[in-house]
Amino acid sequence: GQQVMQIPQYQHVQEGEDFTTYCNSSTTLSNIQWYKQRPGGHPVFLIQLVKSGEVKKQKRLTFQFGEAKKNSSLHITATQTTDVGTYFCAGASGYSTLTFGKGTMLLVSP
Amino acid sequence: DTEVTQTPKHLVMGMTNKKSLKCEQHMGHRAMYWYKQKAKKPPELMFVYSYEKLSINESVPSRFSPECPNSSLLNLHLHALQPEDSALYLCASSQGGGPGETGDTQYFGPGTRLTVL
Repeated sequence: GQQVMQIPQYQHVQEGEDFTTYCNSSTTLSNIQWYKQRPGGHPVFLIQLVKSGEVKKQKRLTFQFGEAKKNSSLHITATQTTDVGTYFCAGASGYSTLTFGKGTMLLVSP
Repeated sequence: DTEVTQTPKHLVMGMTNKKSLKCEQHMGHRAMYWYKQKAKKPPELMFVYSYEKLSINESVPSRFSPECPNSSLLNLHLHALQPEDSALYLCASSQGGGPGETGDTQYFGPGTRLTVL
């Protein structure tokens, strides 16, 4: 079955440093979605990437979808304490269900 | 309005109890989902309803019984649960057509934190 691997599992940065999490799928995806889950919260949709090579920005967050539509990344510039949480990627293939990566837990120290 | 509501927020139950979790959305979404999430793990899909019909059951034990009374409501009936079933139960909805369809993003509710004693 489809597998989505996400690294790193955990990252601790100082406020102001950059952060990147990476996702790799075992199969070509029709789209990839990113979610953020704050501690004690629920997953909140951030963005969906559909096109090969697509790059989207949301303020300090930059999302990329690989040319082969099998990998993606989320980069946060100049992290803030409000960025703390677990970031999940979730890949979709055809009309199948979303396959979630294991998530990257981000801790930001002031 | 992108809100999915879930009740109760917390539930403690014994192994012989019967309880129900409720989920509601008023976004006109045609697909609704139940997920189970253990601490520090990703959400794990349990059931998918599409147009009020059960379309996916991810081999979930029969002690979990989903129900979709109408397009806005989704229930999860619980009976004879085990302590290892303790988890955060998340409901989600999407516009319809399945997650492979562009734009069919899932909106999650706040979850019910279930403890089975």
